[in-house]
Amino acid sequence: EAGVTQSPTHLIKTRGQQATLRCSPISGHTSVYWYQQALGLGLQFLLWYDEGEERNRGNFPPRFSGRQFPNYSSELNVNALELEDSALYLCASSPSQGWDEQYFGPGTRLTVT
Amino acid sequence: QQQVKQSPQSLIVQKGGISIINCAYENTAFDYFPWYQQFPGKGPALLIAIRPDVSEKKEGRFTISFNKSAKQFSLHIMDSQPGDSATYFCAAIEGNTPLVFGKGTRLSVIA
Repeated sequence: EAGVTQSPTHLIKTRGQQATLRCSPISGHTSVYWYQQALGLGLQFLLWYDEGEERNRGNFPPRFSGRQFPNYSSELNVNALELEDSALYLCASSPSQGWDEQYFGPGTRLTVT
Repeated sequence: QQQVKQSPQSLIVQKGGISIINCAYENTAFDYFPWYQQFPGKGPALLIAIRPDVSEKKEGRFTISFNKSAKQFSLHIMDSQPGDSATYFCAAIEGNTPLVFGKGTRLSVIA
C-alpha cells in the first residue's frame, strides 16, 4: 500500500513569493493534516481538512491557506513568503477524523531566501 | 505556550543500554499519548502510544510508562541499537483536537 506522498521534495523561493505544496493521502483516508517543522520548534499544527472542508487551523497567519480536492489530495499555499517560513512542511493523513491514526509523508523542504 | 515539555533535547547512549526520554504535560484532558520516531529525510512514524487508563505499555524493546498523577510519561528503549538513532517526539491529544508535540529528542546510539 502506497504511503502519503508529497511534492516537491525541495522548494526554493524568494521572500514575497508564493509557494504551493502538494500532498496525496493514503488510499481510503479522507483527513489530511499539515504541519510545519521548523528547526528547534518541533512540529506545529497548521491545517486540518476532512471530506473537503477545513476543520481546524493552528496559530498561523491567514497567508497560510490550503484546500482539499474531491480525491482527498490537498494543497498548502503560503503567500507573501517570509524568511522564517523556511521549514520542513509535513503532511499526514488518516481515516476520517482519526487524529490518533495519522501517517506522515516525507515532507517538503521549503527554503526562503 | 508549550503544552508538552520534552527532555532531554539530545541523548547519547551506548549500544545495549537503555534510552529514556521524558515528557510532561499540564492539560489533564489529554486522552492519548503517542510517540513518533523520525529518521533524517523522513516524516515521523508512529512508534507506540498509550491512553491514560493504563500505566505501562510495552511493544518489543519499546515501553511507555505513564504517571497520571504526576502528568508525566516516558519512553524507554531497551537494548538500544545504532539503528534506533533518530529523533523522537512525544505528543498528546484531547479528543478530536490537533496533536500537540514536544520539541523532540535526538538520540544517538554509539557502538
